[in-house]
Amino acid sequence: NAGVTQTPKFRILKIGQSMTLQCAQDMNHNYMYWYRQDPGMGLKLIYYSVGAGITDKGEVPNGYNVSRSTTEDFPLRLELAAPSQTSVYFCASSRGIRDGNLEAFFGQGTRLTVV
Amino acid sequence: AQKITQTQPGMFVQEKEAVTLDCTYDTSDPSYGLFWYKQPSSGEMIFLIYQGSYDQQNATEGRYSLNFQKARKSANLVISASQLGDSAMYFCAMRGLYNQGGKLIFGQGTELSVKP
Repeated sequence: NAGVTQTPKFRILKIGQSMTLQCAQDMNHNYMYWYRQDPGMGLKLIYYSVGAGITDKGEVPNGYNVSRSTTEDFPLRLELAAPSQTSVYFCASSRGIRDGNLEAFFGQGTRLTVV
Repeated sequence: AQKITQTQPGMFVQEKEAVTLDCTYDTSDPSYGLFWYKQPSSGEMIFLIYQGSYDQQNATEGRYSLNFQKARKSANLVISASQLGDSAMYFCAMRGLYNQGGKLIFGQGTELSVKP
C-alpha cells in the first residue's frame, strides 16, 4: 500500500525554468492538497481539489497551476521558477466528508531549490 | 474564512511531565474538523488526533488528548508523560466540512523540546 507518492524528492531549478511536481495516491481519496513549507514555518495551502476535474485556490496560489484529470493524480506546475518558490512541497489526500476518518495522508515531500 | 493560530513558537517540557500546546481557530463553517499533526526532524507529517465540531466528548488517542472548548474556539493538544521521542514540530489544522469545501489549513506550528 503506497499511500501518497511524490516525485521527485529533490530538485534544483534555475530561475525561469518550469517543472511539474508529481503526486499520486492509491487510496481512492476524493480530496487532494498541495502545500508549501518554508523553513521553520507552517504549511501553506497552494491548491486543493475535491475530485477529478475540480480544483480551487488555497492561501498562496500565485506562481502555480494544478490539474486533476483522474482521482489518483494531482500534479503541481511551476511555470517560471523564482527564488521565492524555494521550499518543501507536500502533497496530501483525504476521504470525502461523509466517509469518516477525515485525516489527511501526506507524501514524503519534495525539496525544491531555485537558484 | 478560516484561520488557525498557534501562539507558542517553542515549548520545553521535562521528560515524563505533561504539556499543553495551544491552538485557537476561527471559521464561519457550522461543521468542521480539527486535527493535530507531528512533524519530527525527518520531515514526515504524522497524524495524531481528530476532533469533530459536533463530537460531544474530547478526543483521546493514547498519550494524546484534545481539550476542545467550542465556545472559546480552542483545540489544545495535551501530551501526557512526555518522552524524548516527542521532540518535534506540532501543527494544529482545521478542515471546513460544510461551507469551506473540505479545505484543510494549518497553523504556524509549535516546536516542542523534551528535556531528559
